[in-house]
Amino acid sequence: GQQLNQSPQSMFIQEGEDVSMNCTSSSIFNTWLWYKQDPGEGPVLLIALYKAGELTSNGRLTAQFGITRKDSFLNISASIPSDVGIYFCAGHYSGNTPLVFGKGTRLSVIA
Amino acid sequence: SQTIHQWPATLVQPVGSPLSLECTVEGTSNPNLYWYRQAAGRGLQLLFYSVGIGQISSEVPQNLSASRPQDRQFILSSKKLLLSDSGFYLCAWNLGPKLFFGSGTQLSVL
Repeated sequence: GQQLNQSPQSMFIQEGEDVSMNCTSSSIFNTWLWYKQDPGEGPVLLIALYKAGELTSNGRLTAQFGITRKDSFLNISASIPSDVGIYFCAGHYSGNTPLVFGKGTRLSVIA
Repeated sequence: SQTIHQWPATLVQPVGSPLSLECTVEGTSNPNLYWYRQAAGRGLQLLFYSVGIGQISSEVPQNLSASRPQDRQFILSSKKLLLSDSGFYLCAWNLGPKLFFGSGTQLSVL
């Protein structure tokens, strides 16, 4: 079945630094999504991307849908302590097929 | 607006006891509903999903079952819990490709 490779698995960064994480797939998707999960809570949708090449921002977050439709990245600029959490990428092909999730990137921000 | 309710937030159960976790969605009709499990610090494992009343797709054979008795109600059950059933259980519903999660249930089987 489809799988997403998300990297890095974990990151330790200083407050104020920029962060970049990405997901790659062996097959194409029609939608890419990025989620953030705080400890003990459900993941929350950050950004949804619908077209190859699309670049979308949400505050300090920027995500892009790769031209090949097989990859996406998420950038966080000027990180702050509340950015701590697990970030998941997810791809959707079509219809009622469930999302395929990456295994997550655990972000730790050192003040 | 749509909301998803999941309960209880935490649950401690002995091995061999039954389980029932409930999830309801408000503000939408005929949603696709999902149950995920997350081991500590790990990724999201899809357990079951449903595209309509009485329709259940199982992704992983295991000690759990799911039912959808009403359009906006999704129940995760077990007749006899195992230690390996411990984890963080998440219910979700989708609007197009966007998936929206409940707040989760932390299940500890002792």
